[in-house]
Amino acid sequence: GNSVTQMEGPVTLSEEAFLTINCTYTATGYPSLFWYVQYPGEGLQLLLKATKADDKGSNKGFEATYRKETTSFHLEKGSVQVSDSAVYFCALSDIQGAQKLVFGQGTRLTINP
Amino acid sequence: KAGVTQTPRYLIKTRGQQVTLSCSPISGHRSVSWYQQTPGQGLQFLFEYFSETQRNKGNFPGRFSGRQFSNSRSEMNVSTLELGDSALYLCASSFGRDNSPLHFGNGTRLTVT
Repeated sequence: GNSVTQMEGPVTLSEEAFLTINCTYTATGYPSLFWYVQYPGEGLQLLLKATKADDKGSNKGFEATYRKETTSFHLEKGSVQVSDSAVYFCALSDIQGAQKLVFGQGTRLTINP
Repeated sequence: KAGVTQTPRYLIKTRGQQVTLSCSPISGHRSVSWYQQTPGQGLQFLFEYFSETQRNKGNFPGRFSGRQFSNSRSEMNVSTLELGDSALYLCASSFGRDNSPLHFGNGTRLTVT
């Protein structure tokens, strides 16, 4: 079945460092890909998405490119801030037109000042 | 615009009891999905309702059930609670169309003792 694999955390960086969180997927067909972020005590918020190969999703300085050839959707940010500390989830849509997402295990990110 | 509202925020139940969780979606959203989040299994899809009909279902036992009302509000019920049902239960709403982004509530934390 479909699955998502994320780099294991936790990840700890200093403020203004470059961030990469790796995400690869296994899927039949051509799923849409998402990054969600979860701040402490809150639900998930959609960070960015890409719906087809070579699409780049971007939001709040974060970017991810849908790479069909490597089945990857790595999250990057050029200069992280303390406020970016959260858990990040990579996900894919399981069935086109439905709302069933398959999530990776999540990567906890801590940014130190 | 109000977000997705889940009640209650916290619940403590005893093994063998049953529990009902409630979710009020964003106004205009017709799809409501439920997810279970645990440290061991991560985020797992339970089911999705669209216009009062279950449209998709995950791999959970029949003790987990749900329903959706005509105003799109949804409830989730777990009967004969087990210790392993302790989790954060997240509800998400969307317009329900292709690639409509999910908007998550802050969740209900269920503890089974």
